[in-house]
Amino acid sequence: DTGVSQNPRHKITKRGQNVTFRCDPISEHNRLYWYRQTLGQGPEFLTYFQNEAQLEKSRLLSDRFSAERPKGSFSTLEIQRTEQGDSAMYLCASSLDGVPPLHFGNGTRLTVT
Amino acid sequence: SQQGEEDPQALSIQEGENATMNCSYKTSINNLQWYRQNSGRGLVHLILIRSNEREKHSGRLRVTLDTSKKSSSLLITASRAADTASYFCAVQGGSEKLVFGKGTKLTVNP
Repeated sequence: DTGVSQNPRHKITKRGQNVTFRCDPISEHNRLYWYRQTLGQGPEFLTYFQNEAQLEKSRLLSDRFSAERPKGSFSTLEIQRTEQGDSAMYLCASSLDGVPPLHFGNGTRLTVT
Repeated sequence: SQQGEEDPQALSIQEGENATMNCSYKTSINNLQWYRQNSGRGLVHLILIRSNEREKHSGRLRVTLDTSKKSSSLLITASRAADTASYFCAVQGGSEKLVFGKGTKLTVNP
């Protein structure tokens, strides 16, 4: 069990650029979740996958955001035309069959300048 | 929007003292979980209490749940400097998503 891995750890980008983050869940976990956390707040749910199927999406996930999990293993979260309000920590978590607890990665911190 | 509300927002205590954090939520739940987060890191699960349970213990942690008041408390006994972190409650209802509160930032002074 190597834990949930997220890359990159930090990303600085200029407003209007596209960014992509990657999450590698714990290998046997079929559920993968994305959360966003802004400074001083708790994580907010964005979306989750069961294998390759995206089962639920938050209203926070605007049309500039897209998440994929093409082979049911790693996942990518892409943000197009980044805005300063997208600056946050993007957290990935995984679980087996949705049974708690969630296992979180250390996140990708995005700064949009 | 975030459903849970932790209280206090920040807590500073001396090593060896007990720390109590409270969480309130708004809707019916299946379970309530507590997570810990060190600065700049991911969250680590501490303990889960189901809606039909009233109290649970794990090591130095004690969690209570009062579904009639829609509230929970986390007690950390005999705190250590290494307990310094932010603590979040998260509720799970009918779907798999967790709804987190804003957290309590705990500082344990040596």
